[in-house]
Amino acid sequence: QQQVKQSPQSLIVQKGGIPIINCAYENTAFDYFPWYQQFPGKGPALLIAIRPDVSEKKEGRFTISFNKSAKQFSLHIMDSQPGDSATYFCAASIRDSSSASKIIFGSGTRLSIRP
Amino acid sequence: NAGVTQTPKFQVLKTGQSMTLQCAQDMNHNSMYWYRQDPGMGLRLIYYSASEGTTDKGEVPNGYNVSRLNKREFSLRLESAAPSQTSVYFCASSEYGATEAFFGQGTRLTVV
Repeated sequence: QQQVKQSPQSLIVQKGGIPIINCAYENTAFDYFPWYQQFPGKGPALLIAIRPDVSEKKEGRFTISFNKSAKQFSLHIMDSQPGDSATYFCAASIRDSSSASKIIFGSGTRLSIRP
Repeated sequence: NAGVTQTPKFQVLKTGQSMTLQCAQDMNHNSMYWYRQDPGMGLRLIYYSASEGTTDKGEVPNGYNVSRLNKREFSLRLESAAPSQTSVYFCASSEYGATEAFFGQGTRLTVV
């Protein structure tokens, strides 16, 4: 079972629109929530991240909204551009008994921005 | 800096064959990870190594073994490949306890 549930699986938005990708989790031990961006043929790369004591974080055109009580978080992309077309993964990080971090990923959203 | 380097980039195996996927990082990171990526399933953690000398199971460890050869290298072994192991495999590394992982370019493995 997925520990981090992500939706939608795919999304098509016109240039300038605001795609929104949603994620939900159950385990309250998760202590860090990153979003990764992946282009075809490449490995994922960190885009933006948030800690659970913050409700919103903005970096450029990318915003994470975090609702701790609902155990949900989402990625918004303002003024979306064709170059934002990629697969986006939400993730959650948890520390094991030795304090090492494990990063658990959602199932991914394939985003396409139409010109 | 090369970052995280995976070899090979592509591989085709017959069912029952064995092989080792190699991963090396030059960022002096303590922690390393192996993930597999399948359509609709995202990235699933196979094994990770918090630091040199330690390895732990992730979400989907069955059918795999790992070796943390030294601080730089972390290999993934398939002893008897099965078609269900057809996937894209990613290696990643991070500072110990850190939350950003740096990924390699991936190995596309097909088991026929």
